[in-house]
This record gives sequence, structure tokens and C-alpha cells, in this order.
Amino acid sequence: DTAVSQTPKYLVTQMGNDKSIKCEQNLGHDTMYWYKQDSKKFLKIMFSYNNKELIINETVPNRFSPKSPDKAHLNLHINSLELGDSAVYFCASSQDSLDLYYYEQYFGPGTRLTVT
Amino acid sequence: RKEVEQDPGPFNVPEGATVAFNCTYSNSASQSFFWYRQDCRKEPKLLMSVYSSGNEDGRFTAQLNRASQYISLLIRDSKLSDSATYLCVVSQGRDDKIIFGKGTRLHILP
Repeated sequence: DTAVSQTPKYLVTQMGNDKSIKCEQNLGHDTMYWYKQDSKKFLKIMFSYNNKELIINETVPNRFSPKSPDKAHLNLHINSLELGDSAVYFCASSQDSLDLYYYEQYFGPGTRLTVT
Repeated sequence: RKEVEQDPGPFNVPEGATVAFNCTYSNSASQSFFWYRQDCRKEPKLLMSVYSSGNEDGRFTAQLNRASQYISLLIRDSKLSDSATYLCVVSQGRDDKIIFGKGTRLHILP
């Protein structure tokens, strides 16, 4: 069974379109994240949700809107896609524990988005 | 100074050798430190957390130097399967900003 899954795996679309990427985790984790990895392989956090509540919201254009219908899902909707949005988007999850400092993040396989 | 800095490499190392690389961080309030491994076109996976007293897991040893604000990863008796990009991760805690380094590429040569 896949622990963190994302769909689609590949997404090719034109500038100006609106698209969504879905993420689901079956690990029972409380926190989920979205990361963007650009062409230079730099992995940067975009958002994190804990029990459907937004915890981390980095400087990301308003065109990006995360939605968490329940704690097992965190979807990413992108409006008016731009060329610079082309990247690999990773979803991840982690389990809450009493330790605030050490937590393993489990990553999904990534969604390779190409905007033409 | 960048928040988290790593030598991008690549480090080309013969099989069986020992290799070490460092990662420096700028925020002295950082509390959480990790090494992740990412294979080509794959997702990152946790290699090990880095504890204040240092920790070892088989051939891998991680150290934290708070005074100089860096963490290190040592790989002994390197295997071909160790070839990957090693990402340094730093944060102030679970609910705070999580910063990934750009990674150090390691190639183990037969």
C-alpha cells in the first residue's frame, strides 16, 4: 500500500489554466505539507496543515490555494498557471508526537508539472 | 548568509571509502536537524535525525555543532547504493518553517 500518494504523476498544461493536484496519506498522520522542487532541485516548503488547520504558509502567490477536506487529504489548486510554476510538487505527511523537534516526513512520489 | 548551505558536489568517491559532508545553518534558534536522501527523480526519504549528542546508524554518523552552526554526515565503507543527493534539513520545530538545503550529490565509483 502506498503511504502518501499523489495524482496525477505528470501534468502538462498551458499558461493561464487552472489545475489541481491531489494528495492522500493512509498513515493516520496529523500534519501534511506541500513542497515545490524547482529545476535547480531546490526543495522549498509551501504550506503545512495540521488536522485541517493551516500551520505554515510560506510566501507563495495567492494563485496557490491548499485545501484539506479531512486530515488524510491535502489538495493543491493552482489558478492562472505561469511558466515559472513548472516544477515537481511533493506532498508529505508527518505524525504528531510529544516531541516537537523530531518528526519524520514521508513524501509522496511527486507531481511533475510542466506549463507550456 | 543563506539559511541552510551545502556543498552541491558532486563528490566522486571510490567504493569502500569514507566520505563526509557538512551543512551550515544561519538561525541559531534552530532545534531540529535531519539528513534526507533523494535518489534521482524520486522523493526525499529520511536518512537520520541529528541529535545534540551525535548519533550513529550503521555506517552513517551524524554530528551537530551548535557553536559553529553546522551538522555533518559521515558515511563509512561506502556502497554503490549510497549514490544519491543528501539533503540537510533544519527547522525551529515541527510547527515552524522547515528549510531544506540544496543537497550534496554523492557518486560512489566502482
